[in-house]
Amino acid sequence: DGGITQSPKYLFRKEGQNVTLSCEQNLNHDAMYWYRQDPGQGLRLIYYSQIVNDFQKGDIAEGYSVSREKKESFPLTVTSAQKNPTAFYLCASSLNSGTGSYGYTFGSGTRLTVV
Amino acid sequence: QQPVQSPQAVILREGEDAVINCSSSKALYSVHWYRQKHGEAPVFLMILLKGGEQKGHEKISASFNEKKQQSSLYLTASQLSYSGTYFCGTESGSYIPTFGRGTSLIVHP
Repeated sequence: DGGITQSPKYLFRKEGQNVTLSCEQNLNHDAMYWYRQDPGQGLRLIYYSQIVNDFQKGDIAEGYSVSREKKESFPLTVTSAQKNPTAFYLCASSLNSGTGSYGYTFGSGTRLTVV
Repeated sequence: QQPVQSPQAVILREGEDAVINCSSSKALYSVHWYRQKHGEAPVFLMILLKGGEQKGHEKISASFNEKKQQSSLYLTASQLSYSGTYFCGTESGSYIPTFGRGTSLIVHP
């Protein structure tokens, strides 16, 4: 079955560390997205990519970085510059977002906690 | 700009109906609706494109009034499985939705 796989499910980060969250999809979707979810805040867009080797900042990109070297993979790095990284991170994908509106398929999320 | 969802929370008994509203200050191209159970991924319910069409399946449907920049989600004869947080996502031409803060729906037996 096609879907999105996020790993790890839980991640603990020490102050000053960079950590990378994995996101892999086998849906053959062109577009991929990273969202951050905090209680009562809804989903806020961090980065998105509509095509391999290209990505765009979302509303809250500061302190994060991404890469899109393969169509199926879109890892997110939470850097030490992110002041408050404790949150639930969701990866999503869709058919090409540049040509129309399509529903998103979400991964099961990674819960990041700073210790 | 984030769309506004109302109400923030709804508590129902099985079999009752509910309406969740989503309003935007911008002209809308489309509206997405998702349901998320606690600790899980949001699940896509439906997308409505401008044109005022109503969509749905079984007992969950939605309408989209582009003139009022609003969408409403209708849950009829609610079931326990409908419990969760419902999010709307509104698009204003970028093809990337901005999500509301969510509406928590609790269905009791």
